[in-house]
Amino acid sequence: EIVMTQSPATLSVSPGERATLSCRASQSVSSNLAWYQQKPGQAPRLLIYGASTRATGIPARFSGSGSGTEFTLTISSLQSEDFAVYYCQQYNNWPLVFGQGTKLEIK
Amino acid sequence: QVQLVESGGGVVQPGGSLRLSCAASGFTFSSYGMHWVRQAPGKGLEWVAFIRYDGSNKYYADSVKGRFTISRDNSKNTLYLQMNSLRAEDTAVYYCAKDGPGGADAFDIWGQGTMVTVSS
Repeated sequence: EIVMTQSPATLSVSPGERATLSCRASQSVSSNLAWYQQKPGQAPRLLIYGASTRATGIPARFSGSGSGTEFTLTISSLQSEDFAVYYCQQYNNWPLVFGQGTKLEIK
Repeated sequence: QVQLVESGGGVVQPGGSLRLSCAASGFTFSSYGMHWVRQAPGKGLEWVAFIRYDGSNKYYADSVKGRFTISRDNSKNTLYLQMNSLRAEDTAVYYCAKDGPGGADAFDIWGQGTMVTVSS
């Protein structure tokens, strides 16, 4: 089973600043990597799939990069609504696996 | 609009059974693979099971293999999860989710979730 490791566990950033979240896979997942945002009491929302393709309706301030084992989610200028928990997920192999999440909090 | 609505959650004793349902609307249900994903209280996301659009292929997480069964009824636009031999560690919110764009096993539509509590 592939292990997905996200860092940091918690990231404190001020509104308007850039946030960079990392996700590492224990073996190559090619570009079969997705990112999700989850707010308290809500279902997750797909942000990025294929490592770098924004899902429908996702603002351009969200961008994904990477391939193989190293991936990054960048939020270029944080808005108040962006403070949430973010998960990466690989879908290159069964079983599908999520990272443990990064909590993005207001500094 | 595109929507998934789960039902069937509740409180069940260890060793008991429960069947979850997920009603789909707003898209061609029979054309997409579907998943169940769960989230224990205060914890992260865990993928549980997948079924191909026509029901011909199924995959399970090791933690539920042999106890849970995923199925679908394309005539009713409904996804199911039969959960047997339930354990305390199965306590979670259970979400159904639709396969993503181009058949990617990313989840682009999620339901609101249904809570399953396994407790005596």
